[in-house]
This record gives sequence, structure tokens and C-alpha cells, in this order.
Amino acid sequence: DAGVTQSPTHLIKTRGQQVTLRCSPISGHKSVSWYQQVLGQGPQFIFQYYEKEERGRGNFPDRFSARQFPNYSSELNVNALLLGDSALYLCASSPYGLPGEKLFFGSGTQLSVL
Amino acid sequence: DAKTTQPPSMDCAEGRAANLPCNHSTISGNEYVYWYRQIHSQGPQYIIHGLKNNETNEMASLIITEDRKSSTLILPHATLRDTAVYYCIVRAPTQGGSEKLVFGKGTKLTVNP
Repeated sequence: DAGVTQSPTHLIKTRGQQVTLRCSPISGHKSVSWYQQVLGQGPQFIFQYYEKEERGRGNFPDRFSARQFPNYSSELNVNALLLGDSALYLCASSPYGLPGEKLFFGSGTQLSVL
Repeated sequence: DAKTTQPPSMDCAEGRAANLPCNHSTISGNEYVYWYRQIHSQGPQYIIHGLKNNETNEMASLIITEDRKSSTLILPHATLRDTAVYYCIVRAPTQGGSEKLVFGKGTKLTVNP
């Protein structure tokens, strides 16, 4: 079975641009979460979605948005990119997003903002 | 803020047991302790989790103290491929009724030949 897949794997953008990152969860998983990991730090929670509804949002500005589609895949959008948005963006899925469930992570999208 | 504290780095000889400690003194009674690891440039990989009893799976063992204020992850026979950053995590609730992983900086484990 395929794990969590993310695309693209690498991306280079310039300041002020907009970016869309994509995630396909493990088959059968209905919950998707997004995390940002800057170099040298642990991942930080951005969003969690379940059945197309936002179930959680981390401490990120409104430039960050996400959505989940009927097939449970998800997109993360970041507008007006800043240099500080350079990071590894990780997507994770779980069956229902319930407490106690394991989260399975993809390999991430490495975003570089120049 | 992370609810766990871990040493920033540890070394272990190949073939020996690696014991990674974690303090979580503010953990609530119904919060699980999770361990993930991250090999360079990859996504975090789930290892094990537990509530109050000790747990064992094919990857590792998790020992949780009786007061639940600390735990130890044990890799019984470390190999070079176990070199990674290990995160001890207590999940935190989200406003939507779900949970999020709150990562600290983890422990960088280096397994030496």
C-alpha cells in the first residue's frame, strides 16, 4: 500500500509569490494534518482536517490556508511568501484524527524562498 | 511549547541497547506519550506510544514510570540505521476537538560502529 504522498518534493519560489503543496493520505485515512519544519527545529503544527472540515489550526498567519477534498487529499496554500517560509512542509494522515491514533507522515515538500 | 524535555544528543555503540530518556512532568492522566524518529530529510516515522503500561513492538520498548512523569525509549540492539533524531511527544488538543503533535527539538542519536 502506498504511504502518504506529497508533491512536489522540492520547490523554489521568490518572495511575494504564492505556492500550493499537495498531499494524498494513506488509502482509507480521512484525516490530514500539515506541519512546518524549519532547519534545526522539530515540526510545528499548521492545520488538521477531517472530512473536509478544519479541526485544528496552529499559530500561523492568515497567509496560510488549506483545504481537503472529497477524496481526502489536501492542499496547503501559502500566499505572499516570505524568506522565513523556507522549510520542509510535512503532511500526515490518520484514519479519523482521533486522540490515540498514529500519525503517518509523508517525506515532505522542501520549499525554498529566495 | 513542547511538554517534553529530552537531552539534545546521545551516542551509542552498534549492537548495544540505546536508552533515550524523556521528561513529561506536566502530562495529564489521559495523555499518551508518543515516540517518533526522523532520519535526515525524511518525514517523522512512528515508533511506539503508550499511556501507563510498558509497551513493546518490533522496533522498540517504551518504559513509563509509575507517576508517568518520565519515560524511556529502548532500542534493544542499535544499528547504524537507527542514527536519527528521536522525538518524545505528548499530544495537545486542538480547538476543533482533535489533537496535534507538539514536537520539541528531540534527541540526536548517533550509533557508532
